[in-house]
Amino acid sequence: DIQMTQSPSSLSASVGDRVTITCRASQGISTYLNWYQQKPGKAPKLLIYASSSLQGGVPSRFSGSGSGTDFTLTISSLQPEDFATYYCQQTYSTPMYSFGQGTKLEIK
Amino acid sequence: EVQLVESGGGLVKTGGSLRLSCAASGFTFRNTWMSWVRQAPGKGLEWVGHIKSKTDGGTTDYAAPVKGRFTISRDDSKNTLFLQMNSLEIDDTAVYYCTTVGRITLFGVVYYFDYWGQGILVTVSS
Repeated sequence: DIQMTQSPSSLSASVGDRVTITCRASQGISTYLNWYQQKPGKAPKLLIYASSSLQGGVPSRFSGSGSGTDFTLTISSLQPEDFATYYCQQTYSTPMYSFGQGTKLEIK
Repeated sequence: EVQLVESGGGLVKTGGSLRLSCAASGFTFRNTWMSWVRQAPGKGLEWVGHIKSKTDGGTTDYAAPVKGRFTISRDDSKNTLFLQMNSLEIDDTAVYYCTTVGRITLFGVVYYFDYWGQGILVTVSS
């Protein structure tokens, strides 16, 4: 099974900051990597698929990059509504999709 | 507007059974692969299983922890997805989400979970 490890597990930042979250796969997954945002008590929301493709309606301050085993999610200028938990997901080894453990982004 | 509405959750004893439903609207359900994802209290996301569209064979796949105990099915005439959960264990306690499985062909077929229901809580107690 492919294991997904995110870092950091939690992160404090301020509005306007540039933030980067990392996701590492236990083996190469090409660019079969998605990112989701989840706010407390809500369902996750797809942000980015195929490592760098922005889902429709998602603000352009979100971007993704990477291939192989190392991936990043970047928020260029944090907004108040961005404080949430972020998950990466690999869909390389279909159908055994797996998620990272999550990164909680909190207000400093 | 895509809507996914789960129902059927609740409290059940270990070893018991429960059937979740997910009513779908706003898209062509019969052509869409569907998935279940769960989240234990305070924990991360865990894929449970999926069912392909009938045109793609209608087959199912499951995560190892639920294989042999959970069954996913669909009724395309009613735009409804189901999750039959048997032999429930304490560790099955979670919020269960139904999701659509989006697919796009880029360098290969890329899958992603593009729409999610609001989730339904299943609590398994001894």
